[in-house]
Amino acid sequence: AQKVTQAQTEISVVEKEDVTLDCVYETRDTTYYLFWYKQPPSGELVFLIRRNSFDEQNEISGRYSWNFQKSTSSFNFTITASQVVDSAVYFCALSEPSGYALNFGKGTSLLVTP
Amino acid sequence: KAGVTQTPRYLIKTRGQQVTLSCSPISGHRSVSWYQQTPGQGLQFLFEYFSETQRNKGNFPGRFSGRQFSNSRSEMNVSTLELGDSALYLCASSADRGRGEQYFGPGTRLTVT
Repeated sequence: AQKVTQAQTEISVVEKEDVTLDCVYETRDTTYYLFWYKQPPSGELVFLIRRNSFDEQNEISGRYSWNFQKSTSSFNFTITASQVVDSAVYFCALSEPSGYALNFGKGTSLLVTP
Repeated sequence: KAGVTQTPRYLIKTRGQQVTLSCSPISGHRSVSWYQQTPGQGLQFLFEYFSETQRNKGNFPGRFSGRQFSNSRSEMNVSTLELGDSALYLCASSADRGRGEQYFGPGTRLTVT
C-alpha cells in the first residue's frame, strides 16, 4: 500500500530563515507521481509542484526548491528566506497506480513570524 | 480562467439528514475528484468521476455517493448523516486524469449536529 509520511507536524521559524519540510513515501509501484500542495488559512489547496518517478532532477522556483531522491524515497521541500505569507499547512501527496487519486501525508503546519 | 467552484461554502445539518454538495470544475477539465478533510484522518480520497462515470472510489461507506453531469459539473451526496461526517469536503478538477495537477476548490465546510 502507498503511504506518505510527513514527520514534522508543526514548524515555527522567524522570517527570512530557510526551512525544509520533509516528505517520505512508500510505494511498490515503479511509476508514480509526487506532489506538494499548500493550504493557507482560507482552506483552498494550492498546487505547488508535481514530479514523476523518472525525473529526479531537483527543481527551483523562486524561493521554493524541491529535492527528490528515489534512493531514500524522499521528496523534500525547502523555502528560502521565508516570509509571513508562507504560513500555511503544506501537504505532500503520492498518486495511486491508477493515477487518479492522491494519497496525502498528514501535513506540516508552518508558522513564519515577523 | 475561473477556478474550481464549490457550493455551498458552509452547511449545517442534523444527524440523519442528507446533503448534496456541488462542484464546478475548471472549464475544459473533465476529471473531478472529491476528498474529505478532517483533523483526525487528514485528507482522504472519496471518488473520481470522468465523462460522467465513476472511475475510482475510496474507502467510504455507501452513504457517500456522487455523480457527474455532461458539462462535467459534479455533485456528491451523503445520506443519513453522522456526526463523524463533519468535515471540509474538497473538490478537485484535472485536465489529465490524476497524473496531471489537480486543482482544488475552496471546499464546503459541513457541520453535522
